[in-house]
Amino acid sequence: DQQVKQNSPSLSVQEGRISILNCDYTNSMFDYFLWYKKYPAEGPTFLISISSIKDKNEDGRFTVFLNKSAKHLSLHIVPSQPGDSAVYFCAATSNYGGSQGNLIFGKGTKLSVKP
Amino acid sequence: DTAVSQTPKYLVTQMGNDKSIKCEQNLGHDTMYWYKQDSKKFLKIMFSYNNKELIINETVPNRFSPKSPDKAHLNLHINSLELGDSAVYFCASSLLAGGPDTQYFGPGTRLTVL
Repeated sequence: DQQVKQNSPSLSVQEGRISILNCDYTNSMFDYFLWYKKYPAEGPTFLISISSIKDKNEDGRFTVFLNKSAKHLSLHIVPSQPGDSAVYFCAATSNYGGSQGNLIFGKGTKLSVKP
Repeated sequence: DTAVSQTPKYLVTQMGNDKSIKCEQNLGHDTMYWYKQDSKKFLKIMFSYNNKELIINETVPNRFSPKSPDKAHLNLHINSLELGDSAVYFCASSLLAGGPDTQYFGPGTRLTVL
């Protein structure tokens, strides 16, 4: 039972254009969401996060949007650069319950940014 | 000055053996975690641990046990290794305990059981 879903296993974008990565979740108790970036043979690297009290968080070229009613979040990368090519994981966590603090990950979306 | 480090990076061993993976964080964080990334690329929590509490994912076999000699270390011991244990294991840490917080990951240990 996947609580966090990334339905696009891959995405290809031209350099300079916008990359939009999507994530859906099912557990309404989730109240903190994160995006991680992962290169091959490395651990996930934290990219950006958003609390459920906000609907947008921006950090440089990266913006995360949260639509709580739709249980959907997205990561926008503008402009996309070849160095952004990696697997992007969406993760969610909750302040409640016995496993509070544990991250629940999606399966990841592999982004390829072509020069 | 690596924040979260793991050793070894690669581990190849025979079925039935016992092995350990070490994890250290120099971030001064209170909570550490172990995750498993299986062949389908899912990252799943195995354990979370702070000074006070060990939380175990109920799907983790009891052949797996975390050991924490101090706040900066959380080692993973695996007994009687099985083929299905082959995966990449990631250690992580976060500042806070028992709440939503950013977790920082180590580089991973690729375990291959033959």
